[in-house]
Amino acid sequence: AQSVTQPDIHITVSEGASLELRCNYSYGATPYLFWYVQSPGQGLQLLLKYFSGDTLVQGIKGFEAEFKRSQSSFNLRKPSVHWSDAAEYFCAVGTSSNTGKLIFGQGTTLQVKP
Amino acid sequence: GAVVSQHPSWVICKSGTSVKIECRSLDFQATTMFWYRQFPKQSLMLMATSNEGSKATYEQGVEKDKFLINHASLTLSTLTVTSAHPEDSSFYICSAPRQPLPLNTEAFFGQGTRLTVV
Repeated sequence: AQSVTQPDIHITVSEGASLELRCNYSYGATPYLFWYVQSPGQGLQLLLKYFSGDTLVQGIKGFEAEFKRSQSSFNLRKPSVHWSDAAEYFCAVGTSSNTGKLIFGQGTTLQVKP
Repeated sequence: GAVVSQHPSWVICKSGTSVKIECRSLDFQATTMFWYRQFPKQSLMLMATSNEGSKATYEQGVEKDKFLINHASLTLSTLTVTSAHPEDSSFYICSAPRQPLPLNTEAFFGQGTRLTVV
């Protein structure tokens, strides 16, 4: 069965520091992978996605993620965090048949210290 | 870009009453939509797949008689929480993948609906 694990429930970084949010997935075929961000009480905004091709994908707001098949990982990174990046981050995997149906990880809460 | 609109954003209802939540695709047709539920500090859990013109497909453990889904048009799906109880209080979010295939590579999410049952 498909599953997504985000090992870090809560992360705190200082503003300007680099960030890496971990995501591991379990899926038999090539996964379709997504990172979403959610502000309190809001819906989800897509940061970036991976379907095929270059394993390093660039997203919005300066985020990037790298797909590593050997590690079943799709970690999200940002070189310099801004206070406005504080939010909940979700990694998700979709099947190839219908990418609208997603399995989400537990989420990681990012707190940014001034 | 594609937009999915969800209404209402928040609703408070009395225990025992029913609440309807709408999910609309504003500039594209969506033969399929998805309904998720998110409890506080938890992840999104898929509840059901809404199919235009046919019955919804519910995930295991989701009561189909409690969470009625109607997808009567290519741009609208509704979720009705019937006889709501406090334990149904949650954040409900819909999503819709843009059609047609094979451009169906991304699902767009509504803003979510905060339901509080008192």
